[in-house]
Amino acid sequence: AQSVTQLDSHVSVSEGTPVLLRCNYSSSYSPSLFWYVQHPNKGLQLLLKYTSAATLVKGINGFEAEFKKSETSFHLTKPSAHMSDAAEYFCVVTTPFSGGYNKLIFGAGTRLAVHP
Amino acid sequence: DTAVSQTPKYLVTQMGNDKSIKCEQNLGHDTMYWYKQDSKKFLKIMFSYNNKELIINETVPNRFSPKSPDKAHLNLHINSLELGDSAVYFCASSQDQWAGMNTEAFFGQGTRLTVV
Repeated sequence: AQSVTQLDSHVSVSEGTPVLLRCNYSSSYSPSLFWYVQHPNKGLQLLLKYTSAATLVKGINGFEAEFKKSETSFHLTKPSAHMSDAAEYFCVVTTPFSGGYNKLIFGAGTRLAVHP
Repeated sequence: DTAVSQTPKYLVTQMGNDKSIKCEQNLGHDTMYWYKQDSKKFLKIMFSYNNKELIINETVPNRFSPKSPDKAHLNLHINSLELGDSAVYFCASSQDQWAGMNTEAFFGQGTRLTVV
């Protein structure tokens, strides 16, 4: 069965410094991987997605992630954090379901705090 | 134009009551979902419908009954509400759900249900 592990429940950075949110996945086939962001009291917004094309994926707001099959990782990075990046981030993997369908499996989330 | 909209945004009710949450998507997607986010921010799928037909039912108590009158709507009815039902419920939709395809999901803003 597919699963996803976000290695840090909380990450705290200073504004202007790099961001690294770590995600490892377990999959018996080539999965699709996503990062979603949830700002306080808001819904989830897709940041970026990997669907077996380029391994370095660029998303919105300056975020990017690299799919590394050998390490089963899909870490999210940003060169310079902004105060508005403070939010909860979810790494998500697809898993096959009966009847040829997929479903999304969410990681437990990483709360990113950005301080001045 | 809101892509996935759900109502109400907040719902406070007493134990034992029956309540409904409505969801509509205007993206022309074939697949809709209900997710539950607990107090620790963990997101788990509850139901998935593809073209008005139930695809996924993740061992949710039968007090929860989804209804899809058409592929643009997926409502969630909850009978005999319990304290443990307090959570944020998210509706989502995706273009398709086939294994190997892009199953990027678009989320509503969430409904915060509080059972007292």
